[in-house]
Amino acid sequence: DVKVTQSSRYLVKRTGEKVFLECVQDMDHENMFWYRQDPGLGLRLIYFSYDVKMKEKGDIPEGYSVSREKKERFSLILESASTNQTSMYLCASRRPTGTSGGSEQYFGPGTRLTVT
Amino acid sequence: GDSVTQMEGPVTLSEEAFLTINCTYTATGYPSLFWYVQYPGEGLQLLLKATKADDKGSNKGFEATYRKETTSFHLEKGSVQVSDSAVYFCALSKGGGSNYKLTFGKGTLLTVNP
Repeated sequence: DVKVTQSSRYLVKRTGEKVFLECVQDMDHENMFWYRQDPGLGLRLIYFSYDVKMKEKGDIPEGYSVSREKKERFSLILESASTNQTSMYLCASRRPTGTSGGSEQYFGPGTRLTVT
Repeated sequence: GDSVTQMEGPVTLSEEAFLTINCTYTATGYPSLFWYVQYPGEGLQLLLKATKADDKGSNKGFEATYRKETTSFHLEKGSVQVSDSAVYFCALSKGGGSNYKLTFGKGTLLTVNP
């Protein structure tokens, strides 16, 4: 079974702190993703990495950066946390198949981040 | 751009009732369509998918048919159980490499009462 793990289930940080969220997958997937999930807004893509050292901005990249130095690990960085970044953060991975986008994404359990 | 619209919840049903959650999409080209489910306290997991028109995805008693003529992918189950209580997300994807994109609907909360 594919396993996607996230470093913390719950995290509380103060405004202005630098925050690292880590995600690791064990199935040698090329693609990895970071989403945030907010009530009434569904999932929104923050950043996407289609391979090691490759990254693409998603729909809401402002205030975030990412790092993908190894294939299995994809980190989300909040350079200076703000209260409007309080949210559930979900990581996912995927093995791309062809050009139709038909393969599924596998999700981690999520990190609930509270910024006070 | 591409978008997914699904019926707003919450949806509350009694056990053994019939479930339909509507999903329609707007997209150019030939997307793949998915239903993901999120149980309380967990991440999302794939429920079913369809990659071309008229395909039917099915899993755990749930079904959805890819209807290109109506741009729809409605989720159905004939008899729901309390354990089906969760948030359901409709999604579409297309493209490859750096052009790949997955677009989600906003989710529908389903509560099934005994």
